[in-house]
Amino acid sequence: EPEVTQTPSHQVTQMGQEVILRCVPISNHLYFYWYRQILGQKVEFLVSFYNNEISEKSEIFDDQFSVERPDGSNFTLKIRSTKLEDSAMYFCASVGDRGGYTFGSGTRLTVV
Amino acid sequence: QKEVEQNSGPLSVPEGAIASLNCTYSDRGSQSFFWYRQYSGKSPELIMFIYSNGDKEDGRFTAQLNKASQYVSLLIRDSQPSDSATYLCAVNFHDTNAGKSTFGDGTTLTVKP
Repeated sequence: EPEVTQTPSHQVTQMGQEVILRCVPISNHLYFYWYRQILGQKVEFLVSFYNNEISEKSEIFDDQFSVERPDGSNFTLKIRSTKLEDSAMYFCASVGDRGGYTFGSGTRLTVV
Repeated sequence: QKEVEQNSGPLSVPEGAIASLNCTYSDRGSQSFFWYRQYSGKSPELIMFIYSNGDKEDGRFTAQLNKASQYVSLLIRDSQPSDSATYLCAVNFHDTNAGKSTFGDGTTLTVKP
């Protein structure tokens, strides 16, 4: 069963530092997403990416966030200057023909 | 603001019983509907999706959609302790596989042996 791979599984960073979360989507999928889930809260949409550009983004996805697909396989989420409230589980997801997301295992980001 | 509401849990059923999970959504233009299972500390896992009114069955799972009532449900027959998890309802405005989903808060199900 193809998987979406995310690294690292856990990242601890100081407030104000930049972090890059990495994802390798399933190779024949075309649509890629980042979602986050603050502990005990609902899964929230951040951004969708198709054909090497952002197709939609939420209000959460402000100027501190950016996404890239630098080499045709990796898909990254960068947070330029982390805040305490950025602490959450970040999930990468991709969509294939079948419908519905395949989520990665997530990166737990802790901002201290 | 597009909202997705799920019946508040936790829901507890005995092993072998039917578990019924419910979800309502506010955007009448919503086109596709998904149920995910999330074990504690893990990522959501797709169980089923449904696009058309009526029932859709997959093994022990049945999804039911009523667009007129803006209601989608998930039935789990012959519930097993391994079904104990949080079930997330997700709604997508688009009628394709793509597009963002709006998730509900989830309903936590416990299946007691």
